[in-house]
Amino acid sequence: GESVGLHLPTLSVQEGDNSIINCAYSNSASDYFIWYKQESGKGPQFIIDIRSNMDKRQGQRVTVLLNKTVKHLSLQIAATQPGDSAVYFCAEFNKLIFGAGTRLAVHP
Amino acid sequence: DGGITQSPKYLFRKEGQNVTLSCEQNLNHDAMYWYRQDPGQGLRLIYYSQIVNDFQKGDIAEGYSVSREKKESFPLTVTSAQKNPTAFYLCASSTDYSNQPQHFGDGTRLSIL
Repeated sequence: GESVGLHLPTLSVQEGDNSIINCAYSNSASDYFIWYKQESGKGPQFIIDIRSNMDKRQGQRVTVLLNKTVKHLSLQIAATQPGDSAVYFCAEFNKLIFGAGTRLAVHP
Repeated sequence: DGGITQSPKYLFRKEGQNVTLSCEQNLNHDAMYWYRQDPGQGLRLIYYSQIVNDFQKGDIAEGYSVSREKKESFPLTVTSAQKNPTAFYLCASSTDYSNQPQHFGDGTRLSIL
């Protein structure tokens, strides 16, 4: 079946380092993706989106890369801060498929 | 502030009871959604509504029911037919159904007594 998954369940980084969270998808027809951040006990918060006519999109301290050839996208967070600690997951919006998430832990 | 409000934040259900989770949005969004989140799993779609007075089953609709009588409200009823209702329930909305960002409420955690 179709899926959207992440390579690592947990990612630990030092404060100030860059973080990279990866996501793979299976549906080659997928053309719209979103990264969400979810803090404990709260709903997901929109971070950034990307459509398939783009390879890269940048926001404030975040960059999403889309590689349609290998059906992979990544979220890069620059200068990671303690407030970035949360679960991050990608979602494919053609069929509303959500990944399980990667927990990002930022250590001082 | 515009947003999505889910209530209550915590809800307990006795065996054999139906319970209703509230979701209200003041974003003037046409589309609304209900998801279920279980530990270690991605969100799973229960029901969605593209417009008032219309709704469609998602991937795991069995044991759940919804209504969409008003644009701003999309309540979810967890019926006694849902045998494993303990989960975190999330409501979302978007301007329309097709490829627009979904904005989420802060969820309702349902537990069984």
